[in-house]
Amino acid sequence: AQSVTQLGSHVSVSEGALVLLRCNYSSSVPPYLFWYVQYPNQGLQLLLKYTSAATLVKGINGFEAEFKKSETSFHLTKPSAHMSDAAEYFCAVSGGSGTYKYIFGTGTRLKVLA
Amino acid sequence: DVKVTQSSRYLVKRTGEKVFLECVQDMDHENMFWYRQDPGLGLRLIYFSYDVKMKEKGDIPEGYSVSREKKERFSLILESASTNQTSMYLCASSQHREGRTGELFFGEGSRLTVL
Repeated sequence: AQSVTQLGSHVSVSEGALVLLRCNYSSSVPPYLFWYVQYPNQGLQLLLKYTSAATLVKGINGFEAEFKKSETSFHLTKPSAHMSDAAEYFCAVSGGSGTYKYIFGTGTRLKVLA
Repeated sequence: DVKVTQSSRYLVKRTGEKVFLECVQDMDHENMFWYRQDPGLGLRLIYFSYDVKMKEKGDIPEGYSVSREKKERFSLILESASTNQTSMYLCASSQHREGRTGELFFGEGSRLTVL
């Protein structure tokens, strides 16, 4: 069975500091991995996705994530936080031919301090 | 631009009422999903549909039903709303590609309050 664990339900960083949001997954098949962002009272928007091509994936708004199979991790990073990055971030996994399901983590709320 | 539209952003209903949440996508996607989002619990799948008139239960289908009569439209129905169904409901769609689903495209969400 697939699962996703996001470490830290709340993360605070100062403006200009490194953002690191952690995601570990469990999958018995090569996974597809996603990071989504949700701004208040809105739906989720895709930040980036890993689909078995390059292990370092670049997304929108300066975010990137690295797929590390040995660590079963897909952590999200951004070199310099901006106030507009304050939002909730969700990691998700899908996998297996014929599967339609995605498993989401419980989310990490990012706060950016001025 | 691709779009998933949910008919109501905010609803307030009374216990026992029948509630319809409508979702329309304009991307010709095969797959459509209804999720429920609650603080600390992330997104939980209620139902999904991989084709017209086809549906499958997700992780928390109890108290809900769905309808997909047309490819672009997926409706979530609460036959008799209860207070524990107060939540944010998110509709999403995805395209089936290479035998697997692509990324999800989400609507803006429908925040339902049941009094």
